[in-house]
Amino acid sequence: GAVVSQHPSRVICKSGTSVKIECRSLDFQATTMFWYRQFPKQSLMLMATSNEGSKATYEQGVEKDKFLINHASLTLSTLTVTSAHPEDSSFYICSAKDRGISTNEKLFFGSGTQLSVL
Amino acid sequence: QQQVKQSPQSLIVQKGGISIINCAYENTAFDYFPWYQQFPGKGPALLIAIRPDVSEKKEGRFTISFNKSAKQFSLHIMDSQPGDSATYFCAASSDMDTGRRALTFGSGTRLQVQP
Repeated sequence: GAVVSQHPSRVICKSGTSVKIECRSLDFQATTMFWYRQFPKQSLMLMATSNEGSKATYEQGVEKDKFLINHASLTLSTLTVTSAHPEDSSFYICSAKDRGISTNEKLFFGSGTQLSVL
Repeated sequence: QQQVKQSPQSLIVQKGGISIINCAYENTAFDYFPWYQQFPGKGPALLIAIRPDVSEKKEGRFTISFNKSAKQFSLHIMDSQPGDSATYFCAASSDMDTGRRALTFGSGTRLQVQP
């Protein structure tokens, strides 16, 4: 099946630093990628939708200047948490939609990134 | 309108038993209803999905029952095994909503299958 690679799987950083998370579709092209955030024992909350070559669409309450999303190619989207603070500590998950399929039946998730900000 | 309500929050089942998780939605534009399985520290993995044109879909030990009029759908895990212990999320989306095709997730159910 299709694979979405997310890296790193775990990152620990100091408060005030920036962290970049990569999401790659390995065997398909993804025009649309979604970024989710998940707190312990909670559901996945959509942060933003990124489309290749255009600006990301952020959900209400998500600071676009803090969570920078770049979707520069059909196989790579990055999420940069700028000036991270302890409250940004969370599990971040990306998902990618196969370019050739218009429905969510071909939506694949990465393995997630656990961010811990000290 | 975008909310998907899931219950129960947690579930303990004996090995060999049936696990049942329920979800209800509000948005009548939703037309795709998947279930995801998530293990700790991992991303969710698609388990099974259904569209509103059928009332039931079965894949191995997993069955989705769908009630369009009640706007409810459920996941049944037959012959539950300890390896099924995970968190299960229902989700929904509308492929007709061209502007937002992201999945809306339920709150999750932590399933524990006791040996």
